[in-house]
Amino acid sequence: DADVTQTPRNRITKTGKRIMLECSQTKGHDRMYWYRQDPGLGLRLIYYSFDVKDINKGEISDGYSVSRQAQAKFSLSLESAIPNQTALYFCATSDLSTGEWTDTQYFGPGTRLTVL
Amino acid sequence: GESVGLHLPTLSVQEGDNSIINCAYSNSASDYFIWYKQESGKGPQFIIDIRSNMDKRQGQRVTVLLNKTVKHLSLQIAATQPGDSAVYFCAENSIKAAGNKLTFGGGTRVLVKP
Repeated sequence: DADVTQTPRNRITKTGKRIMLECSQTKGHDRMYWYRQDPGLGLRLIYYSFDVKDINKGEISDGYSVSRQAQAKFSLSLESAIPNQTALYFCATSDLSTGEWTDTQYFGPGTRLTVL
Repeated sequence: GESVGLHLPTLSVQEGDNSIINCAYSNSASDYFIWYKQESGKGPQFIIDIRSNMDKRQGQRVTVLLNKTVKHLSLQIAATQPGDSAVYFCAENSIKAAGNKLTFGGGTRVLVKP
């Protein structure tokens, strides 16, 4: 969905390096999420944020940190990258108005991260 | 494009036939279910959702069936087209739970043969 953008789209880094993945959205949604995707495991939630003052850990937050700089921006950092953090990373956004019963999440195009 | 997985269950279907994708869930407290489609190089895209007080819901060319007794969800695609080739994920959640934290299944790859 072009309304949710992620940068970079691809990144190769070395073990121990600090890296940041960025997500921006023009949907005006309050809620933003970071997921990682590994082969055969579907998507797993890393962190989520309901608004600029709200940060919550997800299922697999160890080794990651996030920053919600503005309603439209949510960045994910790996303080010291390790090889098992090699994965596809997706940002998503939602708002209570986006679904019939609950908020539907809309995903960005993903960032492929490789840690050597 | 982005590869979503090398060892996913795969469903091969002839163009024009109907496709049925299955999903088992484990949490009895889940009361909301959703199907996403992920094409190569893109993020997951919402297809259809269903609440636990329903057995069936229809969209455009898609139908989701929910069997709470055996905790099973299926997605039926009518008259499958080449553009339906993708990986399909089911996800579950409890609407009562805070945060809309979806739990995703591992995905099924659908390959449409011309």
